[in-house]
Amino acid sequence: QQPVQSPQAVILREGEDAVINCSSSKALYSVHWYRQKHGEAPVFLMILLKGGEQKGHDKISASFNEKKQQSSLYLTASQLSYSGTYFCGTELWSGAGSYQLTFGKGTKLSVIP
Amino acid sequence: DSGVTQTPKHLITATGQRVTLRCSPRSGDLSVYWYQQSLDQGLQFLIQYYNGEERAKGNILERFSAQQFPDLHSELNLSSLELGDSALYFCASSARTGAGQPQHFGDGTRLSIL
Repeated sequence: QQPVQSPQAVILREGEDAVINCSSSKALYSVHWYRQKHGEAPVFLMILLKGGEQKGHDKISASFNEKKQQSSLYLTASQLSYSGTYFCGTELWSGAGSYQLTFGKGTKLSVIP
Repeated sequence: DSGVTQTPKHLITATGQRVTLRCSPRSGDLSVYWYQQSLDQGLQFLIQYYNGEERAKGNILERFSAQQFPDLHSELNLSSLELGDSALYFCASSARTGAGQPQHFGDGTRLSIL
């Protein structure tokens, strides 16, 4: 089941902060975050694992609330290079011998001077 | 550069035709994933292979098939193409299978059906 991201779009001025949320109705093993710039491939940012372990980016932080099956991505002191569409991917047991990653529809972030 | 190579970058063909998209994973990665991205649907998982074997299937149509070869490159075959198949097709790879594996995406193949 596709996770729900909010907001759908946000416009920031350089230096401002933003929070992007991702929620699921299913029990998750992990949450992945990716950023995609227009016309380019998605780029891995971070994984948050059940149990609190994080793997990823040192300039972007995120949280994972296992009880609520929600994750938030925190972008602080935004730079022009932060512009792009942010996707969360929720990972859960597919029941067929594997885990499966399902992506949300994305949050379009625009940083302006 | 993610290290994942996809060819061709662009493909234009007609309805009813068949095409093959190719993906070479990052050096050392054993797992390959295929995704379809269209404007209104976001990134849709199609199928995953690990070390030559199918591991997971998502929303892949019966007209689509894939395989992973002994050298670990993968091909996605799309047949009886319809206008709605026009999309960006991404391949991603990860070191292993299982949960918590970062996926690294190639630049994609843009498929246009006329």
